[in-house]
Amino acid sequence: SQKIEQNSEALNIQEGKTATLTCNYTNYSPAYLQWYRQDPGRGPVFLLLIRENEKEKRKERLKVTFDTTLKQSLFHITASQPADSATYLCAPTGGGNKLTFGTGTQLKVEL
Amino acid sequence: EAEVAQSPRYKITEKSQAVAFWCDPISGHATLYWYRQILGQGPELLVQFQDESVVDDSQLPKDRFSAERLKGVDSTLKIQPAELGDSAMYLCASSLAGREGETQYFGPGTRLLVL
Repeated sequence: SQKIEQNSEALNIQEGKTATLTCNYTNYSPAYLQWYRQDPGRGPVFLLLIRENEKEKRKERLKVTFDTTLKQSLFHITASQPADSATYLCAPTGGGNKLTFGTGTQLKVEL
Repeated sequence: EAEVAQSPRYKITEKSQAVAFWCDPISGHATLYWYRQILGQGPELLVQFQDESVVDDSQLPKDRFSAERLKGVDSTLKIQPAELGDSAMYLCASSLAGREGETQYFGPGTRLLVL
């Protein structure tokens, strides 16, 4: 069955550093992968989508990579700020638009 | 900016009682989704509507859960009877047409606690 793994432990980094979050998947080949941000008590908010034929996607301070050989996506936030503190969810999607989410990684950016 | 509306935001109920959640998607969005999110996990799709039709309810526990979107606009998710294990956040999302890769816009959710 499909399996999606994200770092279960919180990631703590200092302000100004680059945060790197990992999303690994097994037993399927997603056509695209989405990243969402979720703040406590709120619904997820879409950040970026990357397709299987794209290696890298950027949006402002965000960068996503997609390695279909390693079955892995990396999500980077450069020049991180305390306001970036949240849980980040990945959703590798095999087809159609049904999202299957990972468990999320909590990011804490400290001053 | 248009948003997905959900109510209530919080609901406390006793097991075996009935509960209902309401969702109003972004105007013009044909596709509506209900997700359940257990604390510490990612959202899990329960049901997907395209206009008023169900297109995926494979993960919906149909013995106790029901969902409807009668006029293809707002939607109601019902649980009867509620069980302790139903305690979770229930999220509604919508997207324009349900095409592959389309952004889903989530509401604030309804947090359910079953005692």
